[in-house]
Amino acid sequence: AQTVTQSQPEMSVQEAETVTLSCTYDTSESDYYLFWYKQPPSRQMILVIRQEAYKQQNATENRFSVNFQKAAKSFSLKISDSQLGDAAMYFCAVIIQGAQKLVFGQGTRLTINP
Amino acid sequence: KAGVTQTPRYLIKTRGQQVTLSCSPISGHRSVSWYQQTPGQGLQFLFEYFSETQRNKGNFPGRFSGRQFSNSRSEMNVSTLELGDSALYLCASSPPGGPWNEQFFGPGTRLTVL
Repeated sequence: AQTVTQSQPEMSVQEAETVTLSCTYDTSESDYYLFWYKQPPSRQMILVIRQEAYKQQNATENRFSVNFQKAAKSFSLKISDSQLGDAAMYFCAVIIQGAQKLVFGQGTRLTINP
Repeated sequence: KAGVTQTPRYLIKTRGQQVTLSCSPISGHRSVSWYQQTPGQGLQFLFEYFSETQRNKGNFPGRFSGRQFSNSRSEMNVSTLELGDSALYLCASSPPGGPWNEQFFGPGTRLTVL
């Protein structure tokens, strides 16, 4: 079974600064994918960024990047130049090859201070 | 393209009743997954359907069931409702190609059991 742990229930950052959200996971599978999803207040969950486990290069999407440490089973999200619209719950998730089943962490509530 | 739609958006039921929730995926998406979101348990996978067949199932009692129709629309049913079934139920659809693909989430159905 897969498990995902987000050890930071809440984080806050000043607008325009950088923040890093932590995520660790556990799986015995070798072929899996990692995701960060964002759930703004009362709005739909959307994908922020994804990483294939077999790729060593860290994924980046504009202001969002990940630090993927496969041996440590760590998958942190860095948000640069934080904006007010980044305020949301952020969920780390893993899915293994052959199963269309996302396993989510408990989430980190990110607050952006103006 | 229209996004994932879920109906109804809000439901209030009493213990012992049953409920049916509906999900219409994005056009062309054949995989539909259901998740339960609660403050205590977080996001938990219920089941996934593809081409009218249940491919994956989470660890929920048999009171939770689902089905998918030939147009990929999906329904989930909860019978003999319990107070603990109060939750946000999220539906997600994804295009063909495997677990790498983004799951597109609907706005959810907020179920309250009294």
